[in-house]
Amino acid sequence: ETGVTQSPTHLIKTRGQQVTLRCSSQSGHNTVSWYQQALGQGPQFIFQYYREEENGRGNFPPRFSGLQFPNYSSELNVNALELDDSALYLCASSFGGARNTEAFFGQGTRLTVV
Amino acid sequence: DQQVKQNSPSLSVQEGRISILNCDYTNSMFDYFLWYKKYPAEGPTFLISISSIKDKNEDGRFTVFLNKSAKHLSLHIVPSQPGDSAVYFCAALLGTYKYIFGTGTRLKVLA
Repeated sequence: ETGVTQSPTHLIKTRGQQVTLRCSSQSGHNTVSWYQQALGQGPQFIFQYYREEENGRGNFPPRFSGLQFPNYSSELNVNALELDDSALYLCASSFGGARNTEAFFGQGTRLTVV
Repeated sequence: DQQVKQNSPSLSVQEGRISILNCDYTNSMFDYFLWYKKYPAEGPTFLISISSIKDKNEDGRFTVFLNKSAKHLSLHIVPSQPGDSAVYFCAALLGTYKYIFGTGTRLKVLA
């Protein structure tokens, strides 16, 4: 059984740039959620994709966008990076449908904006 | 507005003793709760969950208790082991897809 993998593991970007983070979901899972974890905080929900459609969104601006592909892998795109976007970005996959009661997380991508 | 609160940022416990991690929530619409454990440089790992129709769920050394009237849940680890040292996050499921996480409690089990 393949776990959730994220790439890259670390990334440094300059303010104003754009970034794309990638996630391969666990085998058999069709739902991917993205979370932002700032230092000293718990993960904050960004959005979720289920069968290639956005299924819900947290309190993040439109410059945070995503995609899910037919193989259920996913991308998180952030435009016009700000210093406050520096955080650990976590991807979680689950088998969706009526309810996602257990999500499996990847190791995260540490993004630093300078 | 922090809907899920973990008021103890850290906890130290002797090996073999009980670790009790606490979590409070404010939204009575939450009906499913989870605990995740996180080691440095790794993503959170699912530990145990509980539905609001129950007040206790056990899995080996880990037991979660839910007190709906107090909007409080706790995770008990007995006996605690040094490998349990990690950050523990409490999470609540909002609706069908969104987890609301607490800020975490760093547990240190002393050998």
